[in-house]
Amino acid sequence: AQRVTQPEKLLSVFKGAPVELKCNYSYSGSPELFWYVQYSRQRLQLLLRHISRESIKGFTADLNKGETSFHLKKPFAQEEDSAMYYCALGIQGAQKLVFGQGTRLTINP
Amino acid sequence: DAGITQSPRHKVTETGTPVTLRCHQTENHRYMYWYRQDPGHGLRLIHYSYGVKDTDKGEVSDGYSVSRSKTEDFLLTLESATSSQTSVYFCAISELAGITDTQYFGPGTRLTVL
Repeated sequence: AQRVTQPEKLLSVFKGAPVELKCNYSYSGSPELFWYVQYSRQRLQLLLRHISRESIKGFTADLNKGETSFHLKKPFAQEEDSAMYYCALGIQGAQKLVFGQGTRLTINP
Repeated sequence: DAGITQSPRHKVTETGTPVTLRCHQTENHRYMYWYRQDPGHGLRLIHYSYGVKDTDKGEVSDGYSVSRSKTEDFLLTLESATSSQTSVYFCAISELAGITDTQYFGPGTRLTVL
């Protein structure tokens, strides 16, 4: 079965510290992976996708097929990064996403 | 924000009553989705649509039905609401197939079933 696991419900780091949000997936096909973010009082929105290999707001994520992971990283956290982050897996042929449970990231000043 | 609205934004209802939530888009996107968001479960897909009158079930479809008679509207109906359906419901749209295209989310509807 397809599954996305985000092992940390809550993550708290200090401003300027590195941050890593973990995401592991279970899928027999070729994975399409995404990170979505929900800032306070804003809508859920796409942060980045693995096929683009881009850096958005300083965040990067590398797909590791051997470890079935897609961890989100940022070298220096900012207070505005505080939000709920969701990892999502695209299911080929089904036009749908499977989301993880989410990680609430808090950046302390 | 993409042109997606949800109505109502908040609703309190009683167990056993029918409830219909509406998602309206002005983007003319083909795909529309209904999710529920619950602590500890993240977002879970209820139903989705890949065109007018074309819908399919998601992972938590029991107790829910949907209809899409127009491109712009996707309705989610709880035939007989239960307390376990208390949740925040999100609608999303995408122009292309959801796994490769960005999904744009609505503002959410907070539903409380007493």
